[in-house]
This record gives sequence, C-alpha cells and structure tokens, in this order.
Amino acid sequence: GEDVEQSLFLSVREGDSSVINCTYTDSSSTYLYWYKQEPGAGLQLLTYIFSNMDMKQDQRLTVLLNKKDKHLSLRIADTQTGDSAIYFCAEKFDTGRRALTFGSGTRLQVQP
Amino acid sequence: GAGVSQSPSNKVTEKGKDVELRCDPISGHTALYWYRQSLGQGLEFLIYFQGNSAPDKSGLPSDRFSAERTGGSVSTLTIQRTQQEDSAVYLCASLLADTQYFGPGTRLTVL
Repeated sequence: GEDVEQSLFLSVREGDSSVINCTYTDSSSTYLYWYKQEPGAGLQLLTYIFSNMDMKQDQRLTVLLNKKDKHLSLRIADTQTGDSAIYFCAEKFDTGRRALTFGSGTRLQVQP
Repeated sequence: GAGVSQSPSNKVTEKGKDVELRCDPISGHTALYWYRQSLGQGLEFLIYFQGNSAPDKSGLPSDRFSAERTGGSVSTLTIQRTQQEDSAVYLCASLLADTQYFGPGTRLTVL
C-alpha cells in the first residue's frame, strides 16, 4: 500500500545543517519529491530524485535515497531563518493517475 | 501568468451552501490535479484530469464533490451542501513532464 511518513517537527540553529527524513512503503515509486510550504502559501517544489539515483545535490540541498530501506532524506546546509517552513516528501508511481502521495509534513523551525 | 492560480484565496460559507473553487493551470500543462489539505495533515488526492480522457475521481470523498475542466484548461471544483468537515485548503496542481506545480490554494471555512 501507499504510506509516506515523516517526523512532525525539527528545530535547528541558524547556520547549522538540517536533515529531514521520510520513509515510504511502496518500492514501485518512480520519483520522490520534496516540497516546501511557507505559512499561507502553496507548495513550492524544491527538488526531486528519480528512483534509480542515490543522491542529488542542488546548491544547499542534498537528497539521499536508500531504496533498500525505503528512506529519503533532505539535507539543507547552512540553514537560514528563511528556511523555516513545512517540508513535505511525496512519491509518484509510474502507472495510473500519477497523483502524488504525500507525507504529513515536517515543520522546520530555525532559531536565530 | 507564470504559475497556477486559484480563486478565491479564501472562502467562508455556511453549512449546507454550495461552493465553487476555480483553478487556472499553467498554459500547456498536460494534466490537472485537485488535492485537499486538512489542518496539520498532508495532501489528500481528490481528482485528476488528463487531456480528453475521463477524469479519475477515485479520491473524491463523497458525491457532494464534483469537478469539471473546460476546454482542457480551467477547472472548477464544486462542493454541494457543504459540511464543517469540508473545511480545508484546496490545492490545484498542473503537470508538466513528471513534475506537479501547485497553486496557492483556496482556504475553505464552513461555519
């Protein structure tokens, strides 16, 4: 079945690295995504990784994928106060409607 | 415009009234999705439109919910006889390649 889980809350100090974790249950997912949602705003796509990749780096963002453990992580280097938001991981399957299955989101709080 | 737009941004209604929520996808995007985000929750899939194919309505929670997409572009989500549990943020996304681009959402409050 489809199930994506995330921890609810993470607090870090400005300048530190943040690591947001996500686990999923369906190994047939083809793409995994990270979205950012700021208060009162819609979802902003941050990055995504194809399921045959282990790692993807994009400026301050690093995505790691462990398919064996069905574990996805997002590392934000040099976290800034502007990074405070809710981060959602989501998976997509290659068949059917291709809707995304989302986790419940991790609220990142960056302390100055 | 450059992104997905939705209107209204906020809607307050009384229980039992009908509401219509609008989504303008990004021009040229092939598919359109509606999701619902309840307070403190992730996103719940509602309905999916792809070209001229019959929509996938498998996520609609009840027959009070319906949606249409006119001319392969603008979509309207209609909720009839609203209930308090319908209160949520309704998000629309359009699809290009394998990436969904989300609108800002409509916050619906049913009193």
